[in-house]
This record gives sequence, C-alpha cells and structure tokens, in this order.
Amino acid sequence: AQSVTQPDIHITVSEGASLELRCNYSYGATPYLFWYVQSPGQGLQLLLKYFSGDTLVQGIKGFEAEFKRSQSSFNLRKPSVHWSDAAEYFCAVGASSSGSARQLTFGSGTQLTVLP
Amino acid sequence: DAGVTQSPTHLIKTRGQQVTLRCSPKSGHDTVSWYQQALGQGPQFIFQYYEEEERQRGNFPDRFSGHQFPNYSSELNVNALLLGDSALYLCASSLIRQSTDTQYFGPGTRLTVL
Repeated sequence: AQSVTQPDIHITVSEGASLELRCNYSYGATPYLFWYVQSPGQGLQLLLKYFSGDTLVQGIKGFEAEFKRSQSSFNLRKPSVHWSDAAEYFCAVGASSSGSARQLTFGSGTQLTVLP
Repeated sequence: DAGVTQSPTHLIKTRGQQVTLRCSPKSGHDTVSWYQQALGQGPQFIFQYYEEEERQRGNFPDRFSGHQFPNYSSELNVNALLLGDSALYLCASSLIRQSTDTQYFGPGTRLTVL
C-alpha cells in the first residue's frame, strides 16, 4: 500500500525568504505525485503534478517540485514566499488500478505561516 | 467552465441521523471520488464512482454509500451518524480516459455531528 510522509507539521518563514516543504512517499511502482494547497475553510487547489519525464516540475504561483527516485522524495520549493502563500500544503501519491481513476493517498499536511 | 461544485456548504446533524451530500463534477469529467478530511488531517479516500458504479473503496464502513447519476453527478450518503463522522467532505472529479488523470476538488461540505 502507498503512503506519504510530510515530516514538518508547521513551518514559519519570513516574507521574501525561500521555502522548501518536504515529502517522502512509499509506492511500489512509478509514482504519480501531486502537491495541493488548502486555504482555511476551502477545498484543495492543485499546485503541480509529476507523472514522468523531467524530474523538476513547475507549478502555479511560482512553485516547483523535484522528484528524486533514489530518495523517494518530492519536495516543494519556492524561491521567494509571499504573505498570500500562508496555507496548508498537502503532498499526495496517486495509485491506479485497471478501469479506475487514480486513488490519492495524502500526507498529513504542512501548515505554512508567513511573517511580515 | 464550471469547476467542481458541492452542496450544501455546511450541515449540522445529530447522532444516529442520516445525511446526503451532493457533488457536480467539473465539465467534461466522468469520474467522482469522495474524501473525508478530519480536523488537522489529510484527506482520506472513501470511494470512487465511474459509469454509475463504485469502482474503488477505501477503509470506510458500509454506513458510507454513494451513487452516481447519468449526468455524472454524485451523492454521498452516511447512515447512523457518529460524532467521529464530523469532518470536511471533499468531492473530486477526473476524466478516466486520460492516461494522466488529475483530480480537481470542490470546496467541500462541512458536516458537524452533535
């Protein structure tokens, strides 16, 4: 069975500083990986996804993530954080079976606080 | 292009009652998945519907049931509500024929069980 670990429950950064959110996954085959963001009381918005090919993927809002198979990691990065980036971030791995769409397994999330 | 919509936004029920939540998928999508997100947790997969059939199911009791209609919209039903069923229920839609299908989420329904 697949699993996702987000080791950092809460991260605080200053506005303008760089950001890296960690994600480690466990999955027997080539993983399909996702990062979603959730603002308070809201649903999940897709930031970026990795299916195959280039291991550095670009997403919306200036985010990027790098897939490292040897480390089973898919860390999310942003070079300069904005106050509006404060939210909860979820990493997810997608598992599929024949005739079905992907079932997502999520990590427990990382809460990002941005200081002025 | 309408995204995923869910109704109602909030719901308050008492233990033992039954509840029905509704979801309309993103235009062009044919698959609906339901997730439960307890406070402070990541979403957990409940089940997935495609062609009006349940295709996959997570580790949830059969008090949780669903339905998909010919227009691809879906309902989640929970019977005999428990306090522990209080959560944000998220619906996600996708297009199964895409080899790299991506799930798009609705805003969720906040269920409170008293």
